[in-house]
Amino acid sequence: GAVVSQHPSWVICKSGTSVKIECRSLDFQATTMFWYRQFPKQSLMLMATSNEGSKATYEQGVEKDKFLINHASLTLSTLTVTSAHPEDSSFYICSATLEYEQYFGPGTRLTVT
Amino acid sequence: GEDVEQSLFLSVREGDSSVINCTYTDSSSTYLYWYKQEPGAGLQLLTYIFSNMDMKQDQRLTVLLNKKDKHLSLRIADTQTGDSAIYFCAERTPSGSSASKIIFGSGTRLSIRP
Repeated sequence: GAVVSQHPSWVICKSGTSVKIECRSLDFQATTMFWYRQFPKQSLMLMATSNEGSKATYEQGVEKDKFLINHASLTLSTLTVTSAHPEDSSFYICSATLEYEQYFGPGTRLTVT
Repeated sequence: GEDVEQSLFLSVREGDSSVINCTYTDSSSTYLYWYKQEPGAGLQLLTYIFSNMDMKQDQRLTVLLNKKDKHLSLRIADTQTGDSAIYFCAERTPSGSSASKIIFGSGTRLSIRP
């Protein structure tokens, strides 16, 4: 089946630093990838839609200058959390679309101290 | 707008059937999904149904779709302890001026009692 990986699986960083999270589709090409964040005991909130070769589309309320998305190839999208603050601590999950199904990565837990 | 709602908790006895319900608002949704999330893990796609279908069965899982009422349900037969997890209902919006996207419900936490 289609596999999506994320790296790193967890990261701890200091306030003010930037963190990059990678999302890869391992055995298929994905023209569209999605980035979600999930707070403890809450649902997934869509942050942005990442399209290969073009700018990402951000959901309302998501700061595009803070959450930089790059979809450099059909198998890789990256999310960079710039100038991270403790309130950015969350579980970040990406997904990649293959036809009508969406496959999710295992998630990256970000803790900002 | 798009909105997906689920009850937050469900408790069933081991061996019984579990029925998780979901309502959605976007009548133009193309696909509806059920995902399972175990503690600390990502999401696992359990099953999906196309919007022009009424029912889909896959082993212990049965999905029922009432498009008129915008109601989706997931039935898990012979519920086991390994079924304990959070179950998310999700709808896929059609492609239009923006890319198709998936909207999630709040998740239903299923717990199994002996």
